[in-house]
Amino acid sequence: NAGVMQNPRHLVRRRGQEARLRCSPMKGHSHVYWYRQLPEEGLKFMVYLQKENIIDESGMPKERFSAEFPKEGPSILRIQQVVRGDSAAYFCASSPTGQPNTEAFFGQGTRLTVV
Amino acid sequence: DAKTTQPNSMESNEEEPVHLPCNHSTISGTDYIHWYRQLPSQGPEYVIHGLTSNVNNRMASLAIAEDRKSSTLILHRATLRDAAVYYCILRDQETSGSRLTFGEGTQLTVNP
Repeated sequence: NAGVMQNPRHLVRRRGQEARLRCSPMKGHSHVYWYRQLPEEGLKFMVYLQKENIIDESGMPKERFSAEFPKEGPSILRIQQVVRGDSAAYFCASSPTGQPNTEAFFGQGTRLTVV
Repeated sequence: DAKTTQPNSMESNEEEPVHLPCNHSTISGTDYIHWYRQLPSQGPEYVIHGLTSNVNNRMASLAIAEDRKSSTLILHRATLRDAAVYYCILRDQETSGSRLTFGEGTQLTVNP
């Protein structure tokens, strides 16, 4: 059973371009969480999705950021018109349920660099 | 989200046991105590979780105080590979999706 797969592992974008980060959860997992880790900082929650639904986006910046988790295919975190401050590591996690007595499995992250 | 308090850093020697403490005095009755760790340049990794009873798995043991206001993660024989930031997190049913809220964690250094 493959773990949580994120791609690309590294992404370089120029200011103003779009960044699309993909996350394939573990097989059978329908709950996905995205986190951002700025350089030398902690992990901050961004958004929680269940298949086809955004459940909690309280950690998402109000503009330029969006997330989806379609019925088929990976979850996508999309950042439009990137700025230097978006440079960070973005991690996704998946879980079989949204219950507190289950583990969450994290991917290796996508490291976004905006130049 | 209920808060946890951990020391900023700890040191250990290789092949010795390590006890990583966590205080969570405002824990509620339905909060699960989770531990994750993050090795350099990697994603967080699940270590262990528990509710009331002590727990053991192949990676570590979790000792939970009787009043549940504190817990200790025990690595029985530290290796260099255990050098990481360790996060103690309360996971509750009330928060949407029981999402994990990461604090600062404890930076564990393992000396050869």
